[in-house]
Amino acid sequence: EAGVVQSPRYKIIEKKQPVAFWCNPISGHNTLYWYRQNLGQGPELLIRYENEEAVDDSQLPKDRFSAERLKGVDSTLKIQPAELGDSAVYLCASSLPARGRTSASEGYTFGSGTRLTVV
Amino acid sequence: SQQGEEDPQALSIQEGENATMNCSYKTSINNLQWYRQNSGRGLVHLILIRSNEREKHSGRLRVTLDTSKKSSSLLITASRAADTASYFCATVRGSNYKLTFGKGTLLTVNP
Repeated sequence: EAGVVQSPRYKIIEKKQPVAFWCNPISGHNTLYWYRQNLGQGPELLIRYENEEAVDDSQLPKDRFSAERLKGVDSTLKIQPAELGDSAVYLCASSLPARGRTSASEGYTFGSGTRLTVV
Repeated sequence: SQQGEEDPQALSIQEGENATMNCSYKTSINNLQWYRQNSGRGLVHLILIRSNEREKHSGRLRVTLDTSKKSSSLLITASRAADTASYFCATVRGSNYKLTFGKGTLLTVNP
């Protein structure tokens, strides 16, 4: 099993340019998360999907960030335009569907992340 | 906002010694999870402990949870150089399955 696959691994862009990150979750994991991790900090949730539905996007800066998960599998996260403060590692994670589970019995599987540097 | 707070921020030990990291959180939880992150890599799930559990073991890992004190500890016994990484606790509240992370403890195991 390939695990959660993210691309690209690294991205350097100039401010005001657009950027997109891609994530392919583990097969069968209907729940997908995008997290942002600033240097020296823990990850913070940006958006959570159940299949193709964004069920929690309260932390997503909607003026410049957007995400989609067409067909409930792969997902892309976009920033347009990027700002210097967006430099961070963007992590994608997936897990089994929340609905129907009586307890959270498993951890989440994270991808290796995309390290974004905005100059 | 971050729910958990790990302590210490950094820990340096010799190979073979035990490493203990603590995590405190602010609100009631469904479960608490520990993750490891090697430099420049993604997070790896280590262990999950539910709110009605007090202690769990997995290989060289021992996790305790004290819900009255809103705290957890992760013990790594007989540490190895390969255990060098950042360790994060993360909490899940209610039924929304959102992970809220602390800032992490950077563990360095010297050979």
